[in-house]
Amino acid sequence: AQTVTQSQPEMSVQEAETVTLSCTYDTSESDYYLFWYKQPPSRQMILVIRQEAYKQQNATENRFSVNFQKAAKSFSLKISDSQLGDAAMYFCAYLQDFGNEKLTFGTGTRLTIIP
Amino acid sequence: GAVVSQHPSWVICKSGTSVKIECRSLDFQATTMFWYRQFPKQSLMLMATSNEGSKATYEQGVEKDKFLINHASLTLSTLTVTSAHPEDSSFYICSLQRPGLADNEQFFGPGTRLTVL
Repeated sequence: AQTVTQSQPEMSVQEAETVTLSCTYDTSESDYYLFWYKQPPSRQMILVIRQEAYKQQNATENRFSVNFQKAAKSFSLKISDSQLGDAAMYFCAYLQDFGNEKLTFGTGTRLTIIP
Repeated sequence: GAVVSQHPSWVICKSGTSVKIECRSLDFQATTMFWYRQFPKQSLMLMATSNEGSKATYEQGVEKDKFLINHASLTLSTLTVTSAHPEDSSFYICSLQRPGLADNEQFFGPGTRLTVL
């Protein structure tokens, strides 16, 4: 079974600074997707960024980028120029490709932005 | 993206009663919906996969007779918590996957907070 591990239960960063959230996963598959979801206090899950395992290039979405290391099974999220609105729980998630649509979530990292 | 609604957004009920939670896809037809449960300060745990027109597939450890799922149409799935007890108090979230998208993104509803007294 696939597992997703987030070793940082809480992180904090000064506004406008950069922070990196860690995620590792375990799988024997070669084709899969990885996601970072944000859950603000409203509890609405919001997709932040996705990465296809077959792509070597790291995904970027504006201030959000990932460092995808397939061999190491590592998928970290970097948030640049942190803003107050970035404060939330961040969940790393794994999805196996081809037929298995189940998302496996990590335990989450609570990110606090210090003004 | 996709718009997913849940109703109600919160509900309080007495122990022993049943509660129905609706999950609707507002802008496309979803053959598959997912139901998650989230305890305070914890991650989302998949409870079951809801397939339109067929029986739901439950994850190990989830009582299918307690958590009844009905996916009667391509835009509506319901989760009924039967004979609810205080330990069933939790945040319930549905999600759906848009067919035809290659990136397998799931879109989440806003969640339903259930409190059983």
